[in-house]
Amino acid sequence: EPEVTQTPSHQVTQMGQEVILRCVPISNHLYFYWYRQILGQKVEFLVSFYNNEISEKSEIFDDQFSVERPDGSNFTLKIRSTKLEDSAMYFCASSEQGVRGYTFGSGTRLTVV
Amino acid sequence: EDKVVQSPLSLVVHEGDTVTLNCSYEVTNFRSLLWYKQEKKAPTFLFMLTSSGIEKKSGRLSSILDKKELFSILNITATQTGDSAVYLCAVEAWPNFGNEKLTFGTGTRLTIIP
Repeated sequence: EPEVTQTPSHQVTQMGQEVILRCVPISNHLYFYWYRQILGQKVEFLVSFYNNEISEKSEIFDDQFSVERPDGSNFTLKIRSTKLEDSAMYFCASSEQGVRGYTFGSGTRLTVV
Repeated sequence: EDKVVQSPLSLVVHEGDTVTLNCSYEVTNFRSLLWYKQEKKAPTFLFMLTSSGIEKKSGRLSSILDKKELFSILNITATQTGDSAVYLCAVEAWPNFGNEKLTFGTGTRLTIIP
């Protein structure tokens, strides 16, 4: 069964550093998403991406966040200057069309120290 | 702001018991409600519900939606230890076709004791 692949599975970074979380969506999918889950809290929408541009973003997705599809297969989330409160599990998801067939990756656990 | 509330927050039952998990929601331009199972990491899809009163069933799991009262339930019969997980409810609205985002509840942590 096709999978969404995320790397790394766990990343530890110092406060103020930049991190890039990587995702390889399912190959024929057109819609890409990032969600995050702070430990013990709900899964929260960050951003959706379609046709090489952001289609929607949440209030969480401020100027320190950016997304990109650099080479037609990878989908990345960059956090420019990490804060302690960015520590969370970050999930990438992709779909052929909307939430029907929405597949989540296994997540990257980001720990900011 | 869209809102999804799940209850109970956690539930501990013995293997073989039947459980009912609840999800209520307030969302503008409701499109569908989804249930996911989250074990170690990624949420895995269980059901998508769009119409009231039609039960979706998969093995021992079933779910139904009430669009008038704005809630859904997830039933698991004859529970097994492998059912231990966090069960997430999410709703989808209609901001832009094909770019739907999900609003999640906090989840119900289900623990099955052998």
